Amino acid sequence: GESVGLHLPTLSVQEGDNSIINCAYSNSASDYFIWYKQESGKGPQFIIDIRSNMDKRQGQRVTVLLNKTVKHLSLQIAATQPGDSAVYFCAESSSGTYKYIFGTGTRLKVLA
Amino acid sequence: DAGITQSPRHKVTETGTPVTLRCHQTENHRYMYWYRQDPGHGLRLIHYSYGVKDTDKGEVSDGYSVSRSKTEDFLLTLESATSSQTSVYFCAIRETSGLDTQYFGPGTRLTVL
Repeated sequence: GESVGLHLPTLSVQEGDNSIINCAYSNSASDYFIWYKQESGKGPQFIIDIRSNMDKRQGQRVTVLLNKTVKHLSLQIAATQPGDSAVYFCAESSSGTYKYIFGTGTRLKVLA
Repeated sequence: DAGITQSPRHKVTETGTPVTLRCHQTENHRYMYWYRQDPGHGLRLIHYSYGVKDTDKGEVSDGYSVSRSKTEDFLLTLESATSSQTSVYFCAIRETSGLDTQYFGPGTRLTVL
């Protein structure tokens, strides 16, 4: 719940603006990446994923960009809405390991 | 929600008591995971299972044990709870039909006094 977000960086955006949330991943061998959204008191919810053979993938109002050169992942949310307010975090995995490494997350606050 | 339920959803217990958390899935996934989530940390893997009776340790397994006697159930046991195990615990499954996506349950908030 709320206690999870106590030490998180916060991004505040105006309703209707676009949001960009960034994530630096750690393992050069990682080839699969996921973005999750977590609302207070709930479990992480899958948003979008991308494999390392892609640089960009689009979903409904969301786009994930992958820069393997600098090991950076970003999540773009178009026309941010109040319901987008949550903690967002990325996860990385490499084929055959069956394990995932999770970032600590960014809190997105949508201002009316 | 990938058909994942966790029970109980909330529990308060005392130091030294045993606690068992249950994760139940309805979609016959082979891989199941237990994580804990604490302020300042990303999700940390406690144990995972890759089949019935097949389990392995994660990065924070000390003080925890698991069992998987059926595909649908993955149990996490704290043999003797400590205050440092106060946390929110999430169960997850890994889909293997396409990408390796993980889906999470709703979580169990455990408080050890």
